[in-house]
Amino acid sequence: AQSVAQPEDQVNVAEGNPLTVKCTYSVSGNPYLFWYVQYPNRGLQFLLKYITGDNLVKGSYGFEAEFNKSQTSFHLKKPSALVSDSALYFCAVRDDPRTGRRALTFGSGTRLQVQP
Amino acid sequence: DAMVIQNPRYQVTQFGKPVTLSCSQTLNHNVMYWYQQKSSQAPKLLFHYYDKDFNNEADTPDNFQSRRPNTSFCFLDIRSPGLGDAAMYLCATSRGEGSQPQHFGDGTRLSIL
Repeated sequence: AQSVAQPEDQVNVAEGNPLTVKCTYSVSGNPYLFWYVQYPNRGLQFLLKYITGDNLVKGSYGFEAEFNKSQTSFHLKKPSALVSDSALYFCAVRDDPRTGRRALTFGSGTRLQVQP
Repeated sequence: DAMVIQNPRYQVTQFGKPVTLSCSQTLNHNVMYWYQQKSSQAPKLLFHYYDKDFNNEADTPDNFQSRRPNTSFCFLDIRSPGLGDAAMYLCATSRGEGSQPQHFGDGTRLSIL
């Protein structure tokens, strides 16, 4: 069964500093990995995905994520945090849909707080 | 702009009174999903349509039903809402079930009196 873990409920960082939001996953085959962001009273917005290819994936709003197969991780990063990045972040995984579960499994979410 | 629209944004109903939430999309995506989200927790998939094929999650209560009359519209029916059904309901769409991301509406927040 596929699963995803976000070990930190909240991450606090000062504006201008680099940020990392952690995600680890478990799937039976090749993972399809996604990051979404949710602002208050809004739906989830897609940030980036890893399907295959380069381990470093670049996405929206200056975010990037690094796929590490040996550590089964897909951490979200940004070199310089903005106050407007404060939101709830979800990591999600899907098994290769040709062989595994068709639906996404979401992590429990990490609240990012960027202080001015 | 192409988008996923959910109406209403806020819905109040009485305990046991049927309620319908609606979702429309202009993306022409063939897959539509309904999620339940409580208190900033992970969204929980209730069911999804791949074209006209309905896929129910094993743990979705029978109280929850869905209809997809055409590509653009999808409805979530809660036949007899209980207090535990108070939540944010999110609709999402995608092009296929593979590598394409899901596009979410802004949700309907359901309150039960």
